[in-house]
Amino acid sequence: AQKITQTQPGMFVQEKEAVTLDCTYDTSDQSYGLFWYKQPSSGEMIFLIYQGSYDEQNATEGRYSLNFQKARKSANLVISASQLGDSAMYFCAMRERYNYQLIWGAGTKLIIKP
Amino acid sequence: GAVVSQHPSRVICKSGTSVKIECRSLDFQATTMFWYRQFPKKSLMLMATSNEGSKATYEQGVEKDKFLINHASLTLSTLTVTSAHPEDSSFYICSAARGVNTEAFFGQGTRLTVV
Repeated sequence: AQKITQTQPGMFVQEKEAVTLDCTYDTSDQSYGLFWYKQPSSGEMIFLIYQGSYDEQNATEGRYSLNFQKARKSANLVISASQLGDSAMYFCAMRERYNYQLIWGAGTKLIIKP
Repeated sequence: GAVVSQHPSRVICKSGTSVKIECRSLDFQATTMFWYRQFPKKSLMLMATSNEGSKATYEQGVEKDKFLINHASLTLSTLTVTSAHPEDSSFYICSAARGVNTEAFFGQGTRLTVV
């Protein structure tokens, strides 16, 4: 069974609009972490934001925020005021308790239109 | 954020030769490093988990004799693709973590082309 599901293979968004990238996860652990990474065409993986399962507040980092809904097991990434430089692949990932490995979603290709 | 340096960023080699890729954590000690392979337009596929001073743990289906991993120190792990074939051409990327439930920092990736 898929542990991390990203249902949007691609997204087209007008510049300056907000965009939400979906991510749902499946785990029986009570302690886990959720991550979002950006991968531009250059290939590097850029860490964006982290949410711990026990964090009560939604994580925010500048224009990035994570809409964490624990009961629904969703961890959507919200990018406010999108910019052309936001065009990239975005991956959602999860790390379960006592496990260093990251479990990856399939990714969403985001294209920002001028 | 922490810095992980991966070298080389691109390499072209002849079929049958071996290629070594280095992954260094520049400003922190990484007891665990990960090696991934990424096919075009696909997600990352974990190849192996490398722990300093011990043998790497390979994922199912990954040939340990073909993809040699050495984690000799807390700041360096290497992946050697032995007797490379064109089907080994891919994007290889490493990451390093300081501990559980911390973000993993990635190297820049290596694009390997075997001709």
